[in-house]
Amino acid sequence: DIQMTQSPSSLSASVGDRVTITCRASQSIANYLNWYQQKPGKAPKLLIYAASSLQSGVPSRFSGRGSGTDFTLTISSLQPEDFATYYCQQSYGISISFGPGTRLEIK
Amino acid sequence: EVKMVESGGGLMQPGGSLRLSCAASGFNVSRNYMSWVRQAPGTGLEWVSFIYSGGTTYYADSVRGRFTISRDNSKNTIFLQMHSLRVEDTAMYYCARVLVGGGLTYGHDSWGQGTLVTVSS
Repeated sequence: DIQMTQSPSSLSASVGDRVTITCRASQSIANYLNWYQQKPGKAPKLLIYAASSLQSGVPSRFSGRGSGTDFTLTISSLQPEDFATYYCQQSYGISISFGPGTRLEIK
Repeated sequence: EVKMVESGGGLMQPGGSLRLSCAASGFNVSRNYMSWVRQAPGTGLEWVSFIYSGGTTYYADSVRGRFTISRDNSKNTIFLQMHSLRVEDTAMYYCARVLVGGGLTYGHDSWGQGTLVTVSS
């Protein structure tokens, strides 16, 4: 099974900051990497699919990069509504898996 | 509008059975890949099961042989039948639609609000 790791596990930042979250796969997953945002008590929301494609309706301050085993999610200028937990997820093969999450908190 | 509403969760004793439902609207479950994903309290997300548009099903190792995914096209609903429930099955269970392109699966682009399953003696 493909294991996913994320760093950092938590992050404190201020409105307007640029932040980057890293996700690493235990083996190459090409570009089969997706990013989600989850707020407390809510279902996850798809932000980025196929490593760098922005899901419809998602603000352009969110961007994704990477291929193979190393991926990043960048928020160019944090807005108050962006404070949440972010998960990466690989969809390479049948058994998909999620990263452990990165909690983004207000500084 | 794409919408999914899960139901059927509750408090069960270990070893019990439960059937979750996910009623969809705004799209046809029979023409989409659908998934169940769960989240134990205070923890991350865990994929549970897929049902593809052609009817093929897949399961996580943790539930294979105990859980069964199915769908009723006439009701535009998918189900998760759960048997031999364990304490570690306690979680919020979400159904989600899979984003597919060129026969390849990507993320889950729509999610229900979830239904809570608690397994405890």
